Amino acid sequence: DSGVTQTPKHLITATGQRVTLRCSPRSGDLSVYWYQQSLDQGLQFLIQYYNGEERAKGNILERFSAQQFPDLHSELNLSSLELGDSALYFCASTRGGTSDLDEQFFGPGTRLTVL
Amino acid sequence: DAKTTQPNSMESNEEEPVHLPCNHSTISGTDYIHWYRQLPSQGPEYVIHGLTSNVNNRMASLAIAEDRKSSTLILHRATLRDAAVYYCILPNYGGSQGNLIFGKGTKLSVKP
Repeated sequence: DSGVTQTPKHLITATGQRVTLRCSPRSGDLSVYWYQQSLDQGLQFLIQYYNGEERAKGNILERFSAQQFPDLHSELNLSSLELGDSALYFCASTRGGTSDLDEQFFGPGTRLTVL
Repeated sequence: DAKTTQPNSMESNEEEPVHLPCNHSTISGTDYIHWYRQLPSQGPEYVIHGLTSNVNNRMASLAIAEDRKSSTLILHRATLRDAAVYYCILPNYGGSQGNLIFGKGTKLSVKP
């Protein structure tokens, strides 16, 4: 158990809909990272938040947005969903703001299926 | 682009050592080398990281070449539980901004 929690475990929805994925980092960790893992694209970094502020952006689509709240949990919002958004979404956390010295602790993931 | 090169797959026998290679010929002097692995149906997990010297922890050893253009992750006695995809990553490389940019990794199979 990494100490990172994600809800829900599974989510099934229809094209065009909007969903929210939730992540709670390990106690004391200030950074949250979001990743998407699909069969054809592999693991892709989406976005990082550090202490409530956006820190770095990866391959995140404009239809996706995220935020980190004062209690440090984070939410990833996916809107106008398409079939290709079906994937595993992981979040991870670190103590500090960068991963070159810190190890990232990953959650168990949320499996999103768009029908 | 993570700028690391790893074999797509490797096989090992249980209880034998495994050496997983990674080439990073364009590494800079301040780039740390990280290894993560992803077991089936799980999120990635940290294995080890280093800068210049060889590193050991309870999971594995990391051997870094003197010129730092390559490194090797060593699992001293592979178990069935070590079957996973292993990723070699340079978090500070290029535009990574200290984040993990995953490549395709090496899929390790362990035979009983």
